[in-house]
Amino acid sequence: AQKITQTQPGMFVQEKEAVTLDCTYDTSDPSYGLFWYKQPSSGEMIFLIYQGSYDQQNATEGRYSLNFQKARKSANLVISASQLGDSAMYFCAMRERNSGNTPLVFGKGTRLSVIA
Amino acid sequence: DTAVSQTPKYLVTQMGNDKSIKCEQNLGHDTMYWYKQDSKKFLKIMFSYNNKELIINETVPNRFSPKSPDKAHLNLHINSLELGDSAVYFCASSQDLKNTEAFFGQGTRLTVV
Repeated sequence: AQKITQTQPGMFVQEKEAVTLDCTYDTSDPSYGLFWYKQPSSGEMIFLIYQGSYDQQNATEGRYSLNFQKARKSANLVISASQLGDSAMYFCAMRERNSGNTPLVFGKGTRLSVIA
Repeated sequence: DTAVSQTPKYLVTQMGNDKSIKCEQNLGHDTMYWYKQDSKKFLKIMFSYNNKELIINETVPNRFSPKSPDKAHLNLHINSLELGDSAVYFCASSQDLKNTEAFFGQGTRLTVV
């Protein structure tokens, strides 16, 4: 079963605007972590931000913030003040803590294009 | 210093050949992984090692064999390469198996012709 769903295959945003990339997840484990990664055209995977299931506050890292809505099982990434260099694939991922030795499970990604 | 390094970055080879991809991490992490990214960019776990022990072995053909000589290295050997093996292979490491982020190598683009 798909554990991570990213419903937006592609998104466009104007430079300097904010954009939200959607991610919903499915788990019965009460303890889990949610992650976002960026993959630019050069191919490397860059870790952006982490949210733990028990964290009370939404995670923020510079221009990145995670809109964590636990009851809805969503963990959307918000990028503020978009820059041309933000154009990339973005992957949402989850790791369950109590379900044995589980690796990061990834969604199918969203391709973000920032327009000048 | 590169945290997770894998070599080679590009690998073009003929069907039927055997090839290896090497991975090393200098982060002192306990856990290492191999992921495969297909042409549609989907990332799927192949193997996970914790302290040199195989933890996760997803449904991967027996032609793929990981080897971890020590905690800092996890190599991937592929026998009898097939066209469908063409993909980008990523090595990654994390501090442990719990809620810590994974750091990825730069990927190896394997093309089987």
